[in-house]
Amino acid sequence: ETGVTQTPRHLVMGMTNKKSLKCEQHLGHNAMYWYKQSAKKPLELMFVYSLEERVENNSVPSRFSPECPNSSHLFLHLHTLQPEDSALYLCASSQEVRTNEKLFFGSGTQLSVL
Amino acid sequence: QQQVKQSPQSLIVQKGGISIINCAYENTAFDYFPWYQQFPGKGPALLIAIRPDVSEKKEGRFTISFNKSAKQFSLHIMDSQPGDSATYFCAASSNNNDMRFGAGTRLTVKP
Repeated sequence: ETGVTQTPRHLVMGMTNKKSLKCEQHLGHNAMYWYKQSAKKPLELMFVYSLEERVENNSVPSRFSPECPNSSHLFLHLHTLQPEDSALYLCASSQEVRTNEKLFFGSGTQLSVL
Repeated sequence: QQQVKQSPQSLIVQKGGISIINCAYENTAFDYFPWYQQFPGKGPALLIAIRPDVSEKKEGRFTISFNKSAKQFSLHIMDSQPGDSATYFCAASSNNNDMRFGAGTRLTVKP
């Protein structure tokens, strides 16, 4: 295991539902990330947190709302999603933000929006 | 957005053959070039990485070749094995730049 745990592994939700994705890292890292992985597309960086402070939001729609209560936990709150939001959502961590360092990824949450 | 372009999209290689995946980048500020390997149901995991002060880095059967003037780098997998079948992502980053990924190459190694 990489030390980054994501739950749930799979999620099916309707367009009117509200759900949350959870990520926990056990590596003592200071930076955490949310990525979106769609088929045949580059991993899309969504949000970056450094020591619980959001440092980047890559023009992500407001129906995605991140929360970082402490340096070990990261959430992605979802509401009124669209079918095109169906994808694998990956959480990652690194020692520091914006440095040339290895990213540690969780196994992801496979999201299906009906 | 700073792009990293990766090719081919998919690759089929016979066991024992050489797998080659290529990437090109635009931002000359990038100075860290990792390759990630992803198996089905798992997140990407770092396989090997290179910095531009060297033109080649080898770890076991995996080699990165780096051409700074052309802004290109490639992954070579020697003696490819069925267990190497996975999706491979190149990436690039630097201080003050978040990591940017290529679109991935799905490698299948046939027995």
